[in-house]
Amino acid sequence: QKEVEQNSGPLSVPEGAIASLNCTYSDRGSQSFFWYRQYSGKSPELIMFIYSNGDKEDGRFTAQLNKASQYVSLLIRDSQPSDSATYLCAVNRGSGGYQKVTFGIGTKLQVIP
Amino acid sequence: NAGVTQTPKFQVLKTGQSMTLQCAQDMNHNSMYWYRQDPGMGLRLIYYSASEGTTDKGEVPNGYNVSRLNKREFSLRLESAAPSQTSVYFCASSEGTGGSQPQHFGDGTRLSIL
Repeated sequence: QKEVEQNSGPLSVPEGAIASLNCTYSDRGSQSFFWYRQYSGKSPELIMFIYSNGDKEDGRFTAQLNKASQYVSLLIRDSQPSDSATYLCAVNRGSGGYQKVTFGIGTKLQVIP
Repeated sequence: NAGVTQTPKFQVLKTGQSMTLQCAQDMNHNSMYWYRQDPGMGLRLIYYSASEGTTDKGEVPNGYNVSRLNKREFSLRLESAAPSQTSVYFCASSEGTGGSQPQHFGDGTRLSIL
């Protein structure tokens, strides 16, 4: 089992729809969870981070965390063609000392006009 | 505010050549990282520096060395380049000394080894 798993996609959604991106992780001791957006040929940029169970909203983006199910998701409401990118899930594992962050392979999102 | 600056942006090497990738951040961050990104593999940590004066191996350190020159600068050296090291290399930094803080990435270096 991979430490951080994402479906590579592509996930295609029509413009204006809700895009749902999912990520599961294997280490129950994981503490911090991040979503990065990466446009083709560019570097990752932070979209959201979440530390506690539940939902965290920022504009059109909502991060959802369920530690019992070891599941974190990113919802993008009113999807726009400019949201077309690869979305990387990153999980901070372990406890004590330095806690390494592990990235998933990313889900490619295509928003169809 | 430049954030994380990487040089060079592109580089082509021959097998066996050496080179150093440079990274500097102006955000007064404590921790710095080097990743490589390959198709289907995601971002993999090569080395990290949790704070000035310390460096540690990540997931794929073989064939690489690093130097944390000061709080701002963290360089990655390939002593004898191999075709398997063809990749996109990203430097990142974060405020905290642990992994609980978001990371800020440079624009990357696209490296080809012939």
